[in-house]
Amino acid sequence: RKEVEQDPGPFNVPEGATVAFNCTYSNSASQSFFWYRQDCRKEPKLLMSVYSSGNEDGRFTAQLNRASQYISLLIRDSKLSDSATYLCVVTPGHKLSFGAGTTVTVRA
Amino acid sequence: EPEVTQTPSHQVTQMGQEVILRCVPISNHLYFYWYRQILGQKVEFLVSFYNNEISEKSEIFDDQFSVERPDGSNFTLKIRSTKLEDSAMYFCASRDTGGTQAFFGQGTRLTVV
Repeated sequence: RKEVEQDPGPFNVPEGATVAFNCTYSNSASQSFFWYRQDCRKEPKLLMSVYSSGNEDGRFTAQLNRASQYISLLIRDSKLSDSATYLCVVTPGHKLSFGAGTTVTVRA
Repeated sequence: EPEVTQTPSHQVTQMGQEVILRCVPISNHLYFYWYRQILGQKVEFLVSFYNNEISEKSEIFDDQFSVERPDGSNFTLKIRSTKLEDSAMYFCASRDTGGTQAFFGQGTRLTVV
């Protein structure tokens, strides 16, 4: 079983739409969880950390379900600039384990 | 904002040659990483480095690879004898503690011909 698995997408949505996708992880000892964003041929950049109680950052909402070992990301009121690949990142130990990414394309 | 810097941004090398990829992590960070991403594929873990030694490495990180922190600021990845399949984007990352976010450099695109 892969350490981190994600909805691959692609999700193609109109501006203003809501889009949500999930990620599951295999190591129950994982302690920290993140969503990173990666634009084409660029480095991953932190979008938001994910906390046990769930958290929101503007139009972005992240949820963590430790019992089921999944993480979700919801984007409300999508903007063209949200088009990117979203990487689920989990830390079993010191290393960061990446999912393969979910591609989101927001169209005008 | 502090950042991780990598040089060069692009390196072309012949198969069988040695390459050294350089990184300057954020100065007060304690954990250092190398990742690679083959075009169109996922970000893959290579190695983590803490307290002046390798703390974890992946199956990809075989005897052809080595890392060093020679002077307390630079963090290098050496590939001894490059293969065509080593062509990828190599990202360096650092973080200050085990639970915080990692910051990534802009990457070195390695092309082996």
